[in-house]
Amino acid sequence: KNEVEQSPQNLTAQEGEFITINCSYSVGISALHWLQQHPGGGIVSLFMLSSGKKKHGRLIATINIQEKHSSLHITASHPRDSAVYICAVESNFGNEKLTFGTGTRLTIIP
Amino acid sequence: DTGVSQDPRHKITKRGQNVTFRCDPISEHNRLYWYRQTLGQGPEFLTYFQNEAQLEKSRLLSDRFSAERPKGSFSTLEIQRTEQGDSAMYLCASSRLSRVGELFFGEGSRLTVL
Repeated sequence: KNEVEQSPQNLTAQEGEFITINCSYSVGISALHWLQQHPGGGIVSLFMLSSGKKKHGRLIATINIQEKHSSLHITASHPRDSAVYICAVESNFGNEKLTFGTGTRLTIIP
Repeated sequence: DTGVSQDPRHKITKRGQNVTFRCDPISEHNRLYWYRQTLGQGPEFLTYFQNEAQLEKSRLLSDRFSAERPKGSFSTLEIQRTEQGDSAMYLCASSRLSRVGELFFGEGSRLTVL
């Protein structure tokens, strides 16, 4: 079992729909990251969070430390949101590297 | 451009050849990470540096892989005697904070071993 599991693996939705991507992890963490990867490989950091909720524009990230679960939400989705969204965790063992999920491929249809 | 830059962006090589990738992190970022990503998978940790010191190296990394960051600025990742299984995207990232904090990724170097 991978330390970081994401669901769904693939998601196709119509423009304007509310999107939810889930991430579950099995290790103790000090922080969780949500990343966006566009075709061609470029990765952009969206959020880093260790508790509660963060919001940036149409993106919202939440984390429940007790349940070892995080969600990424996109409101009013747009075709330019189409990308792979990756969850990554920073363990609390102090080894200071990220363990990544396999990503969720999101496609927003106009 | 003050982002993380990687070179070359693409490399095609024959099995058995050596290849070297370079990463220039954002200046003043003391942490530098190398990751490898194969198709359909998330990135896998390879190694990371704090300044010039290599602090951790993944068990995934065979002895054919070596990384350096001699002056605490740019880093190189060398793969000797390449194998077809080495074909992947090699990603470099840097961060400024004492912990991982926010990572800034390069565009990656895609390796194809024929």
